[in-house]
Amino acid sequence: QLQESGPGLVKPSETLSLTCNVAGGSVDDNNHYWGWIRQPPGKGLEWIGSINHHGTAYYSPSFPSRVTVSMDTSKNLLSLNLYSVTAADTAMYYCARHGTNYFVDYWGQGTLVTVSS
Amino acid sequence: QPVLTQSSSASASLGSSVKLTCTLNSGHTDSMIAWHQQHPGKAPRHLMKIDGSGTHTKGSGIPDRFSGSSSGTDRYLTISNLQSEDEADYYCEAWDSQSWVFGGGTKLTVL
Repeated sequence: QLQESGPGLVKPSETLSLTCNVAGGSVDDNNHYWGWIRQPPGKGLEWIGSINHHGTAYYSPSFPSRVTVSMDTSKNLLSLNLYSVTAADTAMYYCARHGTNYFVDYWGQGTLVTVSS
Repeated sequence: QPVLTQSSSASASLGSSVKLTCTLNSGHTDSMIAWHQQHPGKAPRHLMKIDGSGTHTKGSGIPDRFSGSSSGTDRYLTISNLQSEDEADYYCEAWDSQSWVFGGGTKLTVL
């Protein structure tokens, strides 16, 4: 199970920080990647970034130098930091596991983040 | 990087079949994609992955009514014996060189 957590409201220009608790699995499992995907209200899915068991992260070019995905193996947590947010970053944020062939095979329940002053 | 194109909407009658299409851009004839289902207000759920030959592998617990196929750069999701609970948004996903992309999604209405 994947469970996202973090503040539901973030002010413009601040940093959006979320964590994902990975239960029943391990973030340093060499068979999986772990990632973040978001969905603005009424819109489609958008990949943000993903990380492998070595801790190497890959990011969507849609977020140039604005995002960090990391993991804490001691706590089995996945983290997302999105910097300098604007209202356009208001979305449901999902934590996800990438399975064989690297596709997402498990999704968290998602957490809604609103960017507003 | 792959680009995925989906029709924005589709509809079919209860008990009938529907075939949803996800089209890859040229040069990705052999690419594998995945399909995900999302009910309103819920998280997506992985349905299956399909390769360029049409071989598909379904996720855990996905009913036999769901199947996949391929033709050229098109990847299909066929739902047979449509049920009311199949009304949802359907997204395809592709991966290439440590980069992931989703199609715009198809909203399926069961009449």
